[in-house]
Amino acid sequence: GAVVSQHPSWVICKSGTSVKIECRSLDFQATTMFWYRQFPKQSLMLMATSNEGSKATYEQGVEKDKFLINHASLTLSTLTVTSAHPEDSSFYICSASNLNRASGRYNEQFFGPGTRLTVL
Amino acid sequence: SQKIEQNSEALNIQEGKTATLTCNYTNYSPAYLQWYRQDPGRGPVFLLLIRENEKEKRKERLKVTFDTTLKQSLFHITASQPADSATYLCALDGTGGYNKLIFGAGTRLAVHP
Repeated sequence: GAVVSQHPSWVICKSGTSVKIECRSLDFQATTMFWYRQFPKQSLMLMATSNEGSKATYEQGVEKDKFLINHASLTLSTLTVTSAHPEDSSFYICSASNLNRASGRYNEQFFGPGTRLTVL
Repeated sequence: SQKIEQNSEALNIQEGKTATLTCNYTNYSPAYLQWYRQDPGRGPVFLLLIRENEKEKRKERLKVTFDTTLKQSLFHITASQPADSATYLCALDGTGGYNKLIFGAGTRLAVHP
């Protein structure tokens, strides 16, 4: 399958600071990237859907001003957690997908390895 | 609201046996159902996708069934190995098409030698 990387793999920051997480699709052009959050022993919760060159679509309850998403190219999307607080500590995972032009539907999602954010 | 249920209890089996994991869903009619493997501290890895008009899908030692009447999918690993130990997630495509997944909480599988 396709390879998706995330950087950093883990980060510890002080409350009130901002943290940027990068998601890169290494061997294919991803028209769409998704950002998820996962708390311990819970399912992945979709935060936002990001299409290259356009604004992200956020899920209900996700603050767009707090979780800034940029998808500047077909291989890179970034998630910035602004003014992070301890309750933002979580495992953030991105995935990448692209459109199957023949079917008009998206292919399977390829996930990055995740980023563990700890806010002190 | 849409709900996906996977057995939250860990499944412990002996090496060589067949592991069967269950995914039930309610209030939903997905076009696709997917299974992923997730190891601790890692992102999910795609395993299999089955469409609503397919009853069964196989890939090596893996088999997935999809019963849209029962609203249930079964995920089988035959000849299980300790390396199969992981959490297995089922995911359904959300409203708006295939580009949005709703995940179950996953079932932890432990295969003992």
